[in-house]
Amino acid sequence: GAVVSQHPSRVICKSGTSVKIECRSLDFQATTMFWYRQFPKQSLMLMATSNEGSKATYEQGVEKDKFLINHASLTLSTLTVTSAHPEDSSFYICSARDRGASLEQYFGPGTRLTVT
Amino acid sequence: RKEVEQDPGPFNVPEGATVAFNCTYSNSASQSFFWYRQDCRKEPKLLMSVYSSGNEDGRFTAQLNRASQYISLLIRDSKLSDSATYLCVVNGYGNKLVFGAGTILRVKS
Repeated sequence: GAVVSQHPSRVICKSGTSVKIECRSLDFQATTMFWYRQFPKQSLMLMATSNEGSKATYEQGVEKDKFLINHASLTLSTLTVTSAHPEDSSFYICSARDRGASLEQYFGPGTRLTVT
Repeated sequence: RKEVEQDPGPFNVPEGATVAFNCTYSNSASQSFFWYRQDCRKEPKLLMSVYSSGNEDGRFTAQLNRASQYISLLIRDSKLSDSATYLCVVNGYGNKLVFGAGTILRVKS
């Protein structure tokens, strides 16, 4: 149980284009999903918390107009990186918290974004 | 000071060795503690939660010291497959999870 999928697993795009990443909880309902970014040899940094049916809460320093988050259902959240730049190249990982469960989060397999 | 600090390692140990990692956290109000394992270029996977009384899962033992605000992970009889980065995770303000940068373990035959 507690499987989270993420799509795509890898994407290469050109500067200025937008990329959408999907995060799905496959066998549980997730009222809260999280989006993280991880640069090489660094820890996961929380970008935003996504709550079903409401606006995402962004961490300090994360541009909400650049990283658009939509949590339209209890099993799907999307992150769109708009007008991507090479410095946006990173490993983006989503996680989901089971409805009513503890603070444990289950992670998706991640999306490796490369902006050329 | 970082919210969660870990020795980055790497810890290079032979198969069968016992190895221990420590982690310190700054938020004294934290209530939940975890160890995650992350393989190269993969997502983190929950290894174990850490309880006040300490807990053991097979070869893995986790301990919590609230007074000193540190968490430990002990791995006995190390296997080659234990090679990974071990992430110390603590709930921070607003119940968000805060990740340490990880400790690299390399088990060699």
